[in-house]
Parts: sequence; C-alpha cells; structure tokens
Amino acid sequence: DAGVIQSPRHEVTEMGQEVTLRCKPISGHDYLFWYRQTMMRGLELLIYFNNNVPIDDSGMPEDRFSAKMPNASFSTLKIQPSEPRDSAVYFCASRTLNTGELFFGEGSRLTVL
Amino acid sequence: AQSVAQPEDQVNVAEGNPLTVKCTYSVSGNPYLFWYVQYPNRGLQFLLKYITGDNLVKGSYGFEAEFNKSQTSFHLKKPSALVSDSALYFCAVRDMDSNYQLIWGAGTKLIIKP
Repeated sequence: DAGVIQSPRHEVTEMGQEVTLRCKPISGHDYLFWYRQTMMRGLELLIYFNNNVPIDDSGMPEDRFSAKMPNASFSTLKIQPSEPRDSAVYFCASRTLNTGELFFGEGSRLTVL
Repeated sequence: AQSVAQPEDQVNVAEGNPLTVKCTYSVSGNPYLFWYVQYPNRGLQFLLKYITGDNLVKGSYGFEAEFNKSQTSFHLKKPSALVSDSALYFCAVRDMDSNYQLIWGAGTKLIIKP
C-alpha cells in the first residue's frame, strides 16, 4: 500500500491567495483526519470525516478554512484567503476501526508570505 | 476532561544506554494509549498501542511501553538507544468509553548522543 498521500509537499504563497491541500487516504480506511502542526500550538485536529461525512469541524480555526471529502479516496483542505498565521505543516491521516492507529501522510508545509 | 502530559520537552541519552520517555494521562473511562514518532520533515509514524491485556506492549524499532493504571502512566522505553532513535515522540490517549478523538501530548524531543 502506498500509504496516505498528500500534495503538495511544499507550498509558498502570498497573503490573500487561495490554498488547496489534497489528501488520498489508505484504501479501505473509513476515517480521515486533517491536522495542523506548528511550533507554538503543537498538533491540532482541524476536522475529521467518517465515511466521507464531516463529523467534527470544531477545530477549524475560522470560516476561511473549509474541507471536503467528495469520495472515499480524496479530500481537500482549502484556505481562502490565506494569511501569514496559517503557515504550518498540515497533515492528513486515516484509520479504520475505533481501536486502529492513525496513518499519517508526509504533510504539506505551507508558507504564507 | 481528557488530557495527556509529556513532562519533558527534551531527553538526552548516550548511545547504548536505556531510554525512557514519559507520558501520563487522564481519562474518565478506560484508555486507548498510543506512541508515535516523528522524524524531521516527516509525518508521524505509529510505534505501539495499548488497548487491553498485557501491561507491557512491544512495538516497532525495539521500543516498548508499560501501562500502569494506578499511576496513569504509559512510559516509552528502549533497552539500548541508537543515534537513529533521535526524533520527536508523541503520546496520545483516547477514552474508549466515549467517541472522543485522540488527545495528543506536546511531544518530547529525544536526542541520542554518540
């Protein structure tokens, strides 16, 4: 299995631009998570899906952030408009079963200038 | 409320010595406990988990962790450290009696010196 695949690995953009991060979970996994990692805040859960349905988006910072999962093999996290404080590494992770461990992608490092 | 504490920001160990990375937790019900490792510029990788059963759990790369219910701890251990073990280590807990998601510790940077 190829694991969780994220793209792009690196993104540099200017404040006000739209950013779209992509994730392909492991086939057969029915939970998908989006995390953000910064030095200041550590690892933060933004949103998670179960069977393509958003279950908890209470971690989404504000309305500038949105996430979709149109099918079982694809999810996007969009930031519009982006701000410098959004600079972070964004991770996608997937799992199956309530007791199952999370499998993380390699992350998308976002820099907003 | 659920919480996880990793009391040490950094742990320094000489190569070949045993290592311990500490984790304590608080949940209202029975815990699921996890350890993950993160190498520079990489995603988190699963090391081991405790769900139920034997209190000593063995995982990847020679790591093990001991679940101690009375002390609400789940310390990560390895008998002989390698330089390649240098990384960031995260403890996480989930209350198995709720639908809450994983609660993550702040991470402990492990530095193994040759």
